[in-house]
Amino acid sequence: ETGVTQSPTHLIKTRGQQVTLRCSSQSGHNTVSWYQQALGQGPQFIFQYYREEENGRGNFPPRFSGLQFPNYSSELNVNALELDDSALYLCASSLGAGPLNGYTFGSGTRLTVV
Amino acid sequence: KQEVTQIPAALSVPEGENLVLNCSFTDSAIYNLQWFRQDPGKGLTSLLLIQSSQREQTSGRLNASLDKSSGRSTLYIAASQPGDSATYLCAVLSYNTDKLIFGTGTRLQVFP
Repeated sequence: ETGVTQSPTHLIKTRGQQVTLRCSSQSGHNTVSWYQQALGQGPQFIFQYYREEENGRGNFPPRFSGLQFPNYSSELNVNALELDDSALYLCASSLGAGPLNGYTFGSGTRLTVV
Repeated sequence: KQEVTQIPAALSVPEGENLVLNCSFTDSAIYNLQWFRQDPGKGLTSLLLIQSSQREQTSGRLNASLDKSSGRSTLYIAASQPGDSATYLCAVLSYNTDKLIFGTGTRLQVFP
């Protein structure tokens, strides 16, 4: 059984640019959630996708958007990057919203905005 | 609004000690609580998942307990080793939110 894989592992972007981060969910999982983790903080929920539709959103502006594909993989897109968007972005997959089996996280994408 | 707190924020101990990490949450209406380990700059590794109906879970030298009514969980690490050095995060999955709420973590250093 494969785990959650994220790409790229590291990324440097300039303020104002756009970025796309990718996530492949664990085999058998149909739900993907994205989290942002600033240095020294716990992860913060961005949004969740289930059956290709957004199924819950945290306190993030609309320039954070996402997609889920039929194979349950997902993308996180961030437009008009700001310096404060620099963080570790984590993808987690689960079967449903996770009540029974919990969440499996990927290794993350470290985004630096300069 | 669910809030999760972890105490202590940092801990440094000699190898071989038994440790207790604490996690508290304000709303007891949870599906489950999950403990994670995070190495510097890395993703999260799930350690233990406790459903709301359970009192504890064990995996090797790790034991996690859950007292839902008082809003507390503890992670017990027996016979600590330098390889246990990492940040430990707890997270709860609350009813009607479909999202994990994390604490800020306990940064553990075990020295030889």
